[in-house]
Amino acid sequence: QKEVEQNSGPLSVPEGAIASLNCTYSDRGSQSFFWYRQYSGKSPELIMSIYSNGDKEDGRFTAQLNKASQYVSLLIRDSQPSDSATYLCAVNMGGGSNYKLTFGKGTLLTVNP
Amino acid sequence: DGGITQSPKYLFRKEGQNVTLSCEQNLNHDAMYWYRQDPGQGLRLIYYSQIVNDFQKGDIAEGYSVSREKKESFPLTVTSAQKNPTAFYLCASSVVGSGRYNEQFFGPGTRLTVL
Repeated sequence: QKEVEQNSGPLSVPEGAIASLNCTYSDRGSQSFFWYRQYSGKSPELIMSIYSNGDKEDGRFTAQLNKASQYVSLLIRDSQPSDSATYLCAVNMGGGSNYKLTFGKGTLLTVNP
Repeated sequence: DGGITQSPKYLFRKEGQNVTLSCEQNLNHDAMYWYRQDPGQGLRLIYYSQIVNDFQKGDIAEGYSVSREKKESFPLTVTSAQKNPTAFYLCASSVVGSGRYNEQFFGPGTRLTVL
């Protein structure tokens, strides 16, 4: 069965620190990778997409992809209390005309002032 | 404003009732999706549609039905056959076949409770 695994947390970091969120996936043929942020009681919001090996930076967020290790991570620099949320990793497994995403269960991040 | 709307925000169902959740998008996206989220769980795919008048079952389709008569609309019916329907239901949409493929954008969700 194709799976996406995340540490459930909670992950607690002080304000201003770097938060590191990790995700592994089972299908070596996976093509595209996404990080969503979900505040309590709200719907997921797309914050990062990554398609090729290496790093992709957007503001305080950096996504890192290593297809050989089947590993994708999200770094949040200068963490703020407003970053406190559940972060969902999603993977398109199989590629081609298959547009389905498989989601991990999410990591709860708490940023302490 | 372009976006995805879902209604109602909260829905209460009695045992044995069918209920329909609405999802509308004005993003001109071809693909639409329905997910279910239970507390502490990730999203599980119920149904998806990549083109009008066509849809496919996801991982947990039993007890649910959908239609896709218009590009902008993808309603979900929760039937009485769904034994544990209390959950947060999320609708999403995406472009099909572009460079930024598979980026799915979500509506605000409908919280369904069985009384």
